[in-house]
Amino acid sequence: AQSVTQPDIHITVSEGASLELRCNYSYGATPYLFWYVQSPGQGLQLLLKYFSGDTLVQGIKGFEAEFKRSQSSFNLRKPSVHWSDAAEYFCAVGAQDTGNQFYFGTGTSLTVIP
Amino acid sequence: EAQVTQNPRYLITVTGKKLTVTCSQNMNHEYMSWYRQDPGLGLRQIYYSMNVEVTDKGDVPEGYKVSRKEKRNFPLILESPSPNQTSLYFCASSLSGMGANVLTFGAGSRLTVL
Repeated sequence: AQSVTQPDIHITVSEGASLELRCNYSYGATPYLFWYVQSPGQGLQLLLKYFSGDTLVQGIKGFEAEFKRSQSSFNLRKPSVHWSDAAEYFCAVGAQDTGNQFYFGTGTSLTVIP
Repeated sequence: EAQVTQNPRYLITVTGKKLTVTCSQNMNHEYMSWYRQDPGLGLRQIYYSMNVEVTDKGDVPEGYKVSRKEKRNFPLILESPSPNQTSLYFCASSLSGMGANVLTFGAGSRLTVL
């Protein structure tokens, strides 16, 4: 069965420090991969997605993610975190079959300290 | 502006009092879905709809009903709410239910059942 694992429930970083949020997936074929961000009191917004091609993808707000097939991972990174990046981050997988095919991780809550 | 609109955003109700959370999208999307978000559990799918008059259960459908009479609307109905349905609810839509589509989320509806 498909699944998405975000091993870090909560992460705290200092403003200006680098960030990496981990995401591992379980899926039989190459999935479509997404990172969504949920700011406090808001809905989820797409940060970036990977469908095919270059395994390093750029997103909004200076985020990037790298697809590593051998590790079944799609980790999210940012070189320098801003206080406004404090939010909940969700990794998601879209399967290639037809039908209802979206799976979400349990989320990682990011706190940014000044 | 392309958006998914949910109402109400906040609701406090009592056990057994029927309520409906509305969801409307203006993007002509075929696919719509309801999720609930609970601490430590991430997003769990309640129901989804692949198109008008086509609905199906997600992972946690118990205690909920949906209908899809029009393409733009996908209301979530709690016939007899119970305290364990206290949660943050999100409606989302996409062009189709295939995994290569980006989900657009509403801002969320926070429901408290006393």
